[in-house]
Amino acid sequence: DAGVTQSPTHLIKTRGQQVTLRCSPKSGHDTVSWYQQALGQGPQFIFQYYEEEERQRGNFPDRFSGHQFPNYSSELNVNALLLGDSALYLCASSLVMGQGMNEQFFGPGTRLTVL
Amino acid sequence: QQQVKQSPQSLIVQKGGISIINCAYENTAFDYFPWYQQFPGKGPALLIAIRPDVSEKKEGRFTISFNKSAKQFSLHIMDSQPGDSATYFCAASIEGSQGNLIFGKGTKLSVKP
Repeated sequence: DAGVTQSPTHLIKTRGQQVTLRCSPKSGHDTVSWYQQALGQGPQFIFQYYEEEERQRGNFPDRFSGHQFPNYSSELNVNALLLGDSALYLCASSLVMGQGMNEQFFGPGTRLTVL
Repeated sequence: QQQVKQSPQSLIVQKGGISIINCAYENTAFDYFPWYQQFPGKGPALLIAIRPDVSEKKEGRFTISFNKSAKQFSLHIMDSQPGDSATYFCAASIEGSQGNLIFGKGTKLSVKP
């Protein structure tokens, strides 16, 4: 049973460029959430996708956008990169349930460095 | 705005000892409280989680204690082992929000042999 996978593992970009990160959810999961984890900090929620739509969004600018595909995989796009966007970007998948805890399973992350 | 405050920032424990990490939250609407373990270069892994209708949950060597009136919850690691050395994050969310986990800043645990 494959867990959450993310690509690429590492990425180096320069300021002003655009980047696309990819995520495949855990088998059987239909919901993907994206988080940004700065060095030495806890993850911060960016947004969540379910049924190919953005369902909820954290306090991140419009430069951060996403997409979910019919096979539940997802992309995170960041435009006009800033130095402060350097972080570990985590994807988490879960299964929408009528009841029960919101268990999210995280991938290994993509380390983005902006120079 | 820090909605989940975690302490201590770092913790050193001897092998076999008890590791205790504390978290406090502000939003009384939170109703799901997970703990995650993260090793360097890896994503966070769900350890154990609790809902506010119980005061304690135990899974193996890991126990969550929950105090709803004080808006605090803690992770206890019994018989701590060097392999437990990692960064631990508490988090909270509102079940209806599905996915917006609010994380603490993390506690770096070192278990000395």
